[in-house]
Amino acid sequence: DTGVSQDPRHKITKRGQNVTFRCDPISEHNRLYWYRQTLGQGPEFLTYFQNEAQLEKSRLLSDRFSAERPKGSFSTLEIQRTEQGDSAMYLCASSSDRVSGNTIYFGEGSWLTVV
Amino acid sequence: GENVEQHPSTLSVQEGDSAVIKCTYSDSASNYFPWYKQELGKRPQLIIDIRSNVGEKKDQRIAVTLNKTAKHFSLHITETQPEDSAVYFCAASRGRDDKIIFGKGTRLHILP
Repeated sequence: DTGVSQDPRHKITKRGQNVTFRCDPISEHNRLYWYRQTLGQGPEFLTYFQNEAQLEKSRLLSDRFSAERPKGSFSTLEIQRTEQGDSAMYLCASSSDRVSGNTIYFGEGSWLTVV
Repeated sequence: GENVEQHPSTLSVQEGDSAVIKCTYSDSASNYFPWYKQELGKRPQLIIDIRSNVGEKKDQRIAVTLNKTAKHFSLHITETQPEDSAVYFCAASRGRDDKIIFGKGTRLHILP
């Protein structure tokens, strides 16, 4: 399967700890997105990259969140000093600008539980 | 920025009947409108999309309509089946150089 892959799939952490999620996009997709989803809600946009450049970051995103895509391939999303409100599923998605429109393909997500 | 509103939040229909989910968007520059289906515990998956140069698109039992003047678009599922039970999300984007903004979702129940 050459879809978007995310790691870890599940993470339980204590409040105040740092966590990092990794996303590997579909091969040759130059755009990569991070979304957050809580129960009963739609995916909420966090940030996105074109190649290694971070093009936009949601104004709702706390300074505790940082994302990188250093070589334009995989990406990491780090949450520092986690809070209970950070508990959610973190979805990564990718797309290619060589395809018309903006079809994005999601990974299975990384579930975060902050206790 | 773009805001996407979706209604209803929950919808129950008898198997074999039709289901309609409606969305509105705020940014008149949006020109790409995908619909995603998410089954419990799984990733959202694209089921159909429409671009602003067309008013309607069909794919077997699924159709989407777009009214750019009114800034609303709808998903229609005909002859519903049990496997259609899921959460459906509408979304909007200004195109391939922009992010996609999602609605809050509609939980569709197909009743036997």
